[in-house]
Formats: sequence, structure tokens, C-alpha cells
Amino acid sequence: AQSVTQLDSQVPVFEEAPVELRCNYSSSVSVYLFWYVQYPNQGLQLLLKYLSGSTLVESINGFEAEFNKSQTSFHLRKPSVHISDTAEYFCAAYTGGFKTIFGAGTRLFVKA
Amino acid sequence: NAGVTQTPKFRVLKTGQSMTLLCAQDMNHEYMYWYRQDPGMGLRLIHYSVGEGTTAKGEVPDGYNVSRLKKQNFLLGLESAAPSQTSVYFCASSPSGLSYEQYFGPGTRLTVT
Repeated sequence: AQSVTQLDSQVPVFEEAPVELRCNYSSSVSVYLFWYVQYPNQGLQLLLKYLSGSTLVESINGFEAEFNKSQTSFHLRKPSVHISDTAEYFCAAYTGGFKTIFGAGTRLFVKA
Repeated sequence: NAGVTQTPKFRVLKTGQSMTLLCAQDMNHEYMYWYRQDPGMGLRLIHYSVGEGTTAKGEVPDGYNVSRLKKQNFLLGLESAAPSQTSVYFCASSPSGLSYEQYFGPGTRLTVT
């Protein structure tokens, strides 16, 4: 079955420290991959996406993710986090046919 | 541009009651979706629509019905609510030809007692 697995349900980190949120997808899934961010009591917002081309994609607020086909991973990284990055992050894969598979989410807690 | 809006934001139902959730988008998007979000399970697709007057089942359609009478609106109905339908419901929309690019509404938190 097609799946997207987020390896950590919660990640606590101190402000200005680096962070990595891990995501693996099943190899049968299409290679359109996404990271969404959900702030408390809000809907999901697209953070970044990989459709094709360069395997390293970046967002406007300093996050980046690298598509690794051999390891079927799409980990999200930020070199220095802020308190305002506290949110839940979802990895997702588009499988075609109007269907997107979402991971279970990773809660990022940034502590002062 | 309001984007995708959902009504209501919160609702509490008793088992067996019915209700309709409304989703509206002002981006002229062709495709619309209803998801439910449960702790530890991410988002799961309930139903979707590829255009006005069309609907299709997603991953977890049982207990829900939908209608898309107007392009900008997508309604989700619960005919006889059950506690298992306690969840946060999100609507999303996509432009034609870009079904992977989804824009989400703020969500409706539904509790069924």
C-alpha cells in the first residue's frame, strides 16, 4: 500500500538550533512531494514542494527539503529555528487521480 | 480574495443528528476536496469533486454525503452523526490541471456526543 511515514511525532528543540523533520514515502508513490505547515487552530499551508528538477527545494522562511530517491526520503530541515516555527508539519505525496497521501504529522516545539 | 472559507468553525451534535458543512472558494478552482483530520492519522480524503455537478468517493466516505451544485461551493453532509465522526474537517481546492496544488480552509471542529 502507498504510504507516507513521518518518523517523529514530536520534536522539541531550542530556539536558534537546527532541526530536521523526517519523512519517508513508499517507493510506489508518485514523486510529487510536499511539506505543509499547520499553525494552531488554522488550516494547512503549503511550505514547499518537489515536482521535478533540482532535488533541493526551499521555502521563503528558511526551510529546505531534499528529495532522495534512493532512500525514498524527503526530510525537512532548517538551520536555525524561531519560536514562531512552532507548529505541526505534514509530509504529503501526490499519487495521481486527485489523491494525496498525508503523513501523521510532526509537532515541532521551539523552546526559548 | 478570501481563499477557501468554511462554515461553521465549531459545532457540537448529539448522536443521530444531521448537519451540513459549507465550503466556499473564490479562486475559480475546478477541484474541491473534503478531508478529516484525526490525531496521529494525518488527513484522510472523504469525498472530492472534479467540477460542478460531480462528486467522487475518497478514502473514508461512509457516513457522509456531498454536493457540488455551484462551482464555488462544496457541501459535506452528515445524515446521522456518530461519535466516530468527531474530528476536524478541512476543505481544500485546486485549480484545473494542478490537482496536486491544494489550498486549505481553516477547518471545522465537530464534536458528536
